[in-house]
Amino acid sequence: NAGVMQNPRHLVRRRGQEARLRCSPMKGHSHVYWYRQLPEEGLKFMVYLQKENIIDESGMPKERFSAEFPKEGPSILRIQQVVRGDSAAYFCASSLFIPGQGALNTEAFFGQGTRLTVV
Amino acid sequence: QKEVEQNSGPLSVPEGAIASLNCTYSDRGSQSFFWYRQYSGKSPELIMFIYSNGDKEDGRFTAQLNKASQYVSLLIRDSQPSDSATYLCAVNIGTGNQFYFGTGTSLTVIP
Repeated sequence: NAGVMQNPRHLVRRRGQEARLRCSPMKGHSHVYWYRQLPEEGLKFMVYLQKENIIDESGMPKERFSAEFPKEGPSILRIQQVVRGDSAAYFCASSLFIPGQGALNTEAFFGQGTRLTVV
Repeated sequence: QKEVEQNSGPLSVPEGAIASLNCTYSDRGSQSFFWYRQYSGKSPELIMFIYSNGDKEDGRFTAQLNKASQYVSLLIRDSQPSDSATYLCAVNIGTGNQFYFGTGTSLTVIP
């Protein structure tokens, strides 16, 4: 039973290029979260998605960043026209949600992260 | 605004001592509480969760929850150098299944 899978593990992009980060949630999980972590800093929430829906994108920069979680396939975090300040580790987490059960049994499990370096 | 606060540390304890990590949260509607451990350069890994007031023990780890005080803590008994990591507190308020993380407390266990 594979865990949360992120790819690529490492990504190098030149300034102005696009970065696409992929996340496949754990089997049966329908909720995906994206976080960014700068060196020596904590996790910063970016976006929370369910299949085909963006639930909360309050942590996403207003420009250049977008996320999707299609009905089929992985969740994608897309960064257009990357700048050096985008260099960070991007973590994806997934959780299971059972309607009516509230927050019980809704642990979030993390992927190994994608380390983006913009040169 | 939903906030999760942790002391950033660093917290240093000698090997064999008890390490105490604390977390407060602002949303009284929070339903579940999690502690994650993150080694440098690695992803966070879940070590404990707690839903009810009181203590929950798992090996050398004990999570304590006090909803009236909006406070959750993690105790690590017989600390080992391998426990040296950043510990992240996370809260799920239930509505919408959103997780909120603290910035983490750095723990160093000195041999």
